[in-house]
Amino acid sequence: AQSVTQLDSQVPVFEEAPVELRCNYSSSVSVYLFWYVQYPNQGLQLLLKYLSGSTLVKGINGFEAEFNKSQTSFHLRKPSVHISDTAEYFCAVKAGGSARQLTFGSGTQLTVLP
Amino acid sequence: SQTIHQWPATLVQPVGSPLSLECTVEGTSNPNLYWYRQAAGRGLQLLFYSVGIGQISSEVPQNLSASRPQDRQFILSSKKLLLSDSGFYLCAWSSGTSGRESSYNEQFFGPGTRLTVL
Repeated sequence: AQSVTQLDSQVPVFEEAPVELRCNYSSSVSVYLFWYVQYPNQGLQLLLKYLSGSTLVKGINGFEAEFNKSQTSFHLRKPSVHISDTAEYFCAVKAGGSARQLTFGSGTQLTVLP
Repeated sequence: SQTIHQWPATLVQPVGSPLSLECTVEGTSNPNLYWYRQAAGRGLQLLFYSVGIGQISSEVPQNLSASRPQDRQFILSSKKLLLSDSGFYLCAWSSGTSGRESSYNEQFFGPGTRLTVL
């Protein structure tokens, strides 16, 4: 079975500053990794995903994430955040070749301050 | 294009009352369907998933049940709600034609239903 740990439940950051949201996973098999964003009272939207290939993945809204197999991490980064990036961010993992479920982390609330 | 609908958007119910939340998907056939619950301050917990009509897998024992009476319809139910059933319920779908085992089909989420049990 796989698990996901998001170390920071809340991350406040000033507008135009860089941000990193941390995600670590554990799995005994190869995995696919995802970041989703959830705006207040809305469903989840996929930001980016790592399936294979280049370990640096670029997503929507200027976000990117780097898959680090040795550290079992998939941290999300953005060089300059906007007020509109305020939302909750979820890291998720799916074991390759397994059933169809995603395992989610507990989420990180990103608050961008003016 | 594919779309996913959930209703109602919000619901306030007394303890002990029944529940029925509906999710429908348009623009695809034979999707995999999922129900998740998001409790305050916690991540998403998978409750049920379905790979076809009448086929339901339950991930956690609980007060809820799910049914799939039609290919693109997924219903979450309860006979008697508990206070602990409060939360944000999300339905999701993914393509049912996954091809090779190593391939992945992205999950697309609905707008969610906010359930408050009083």
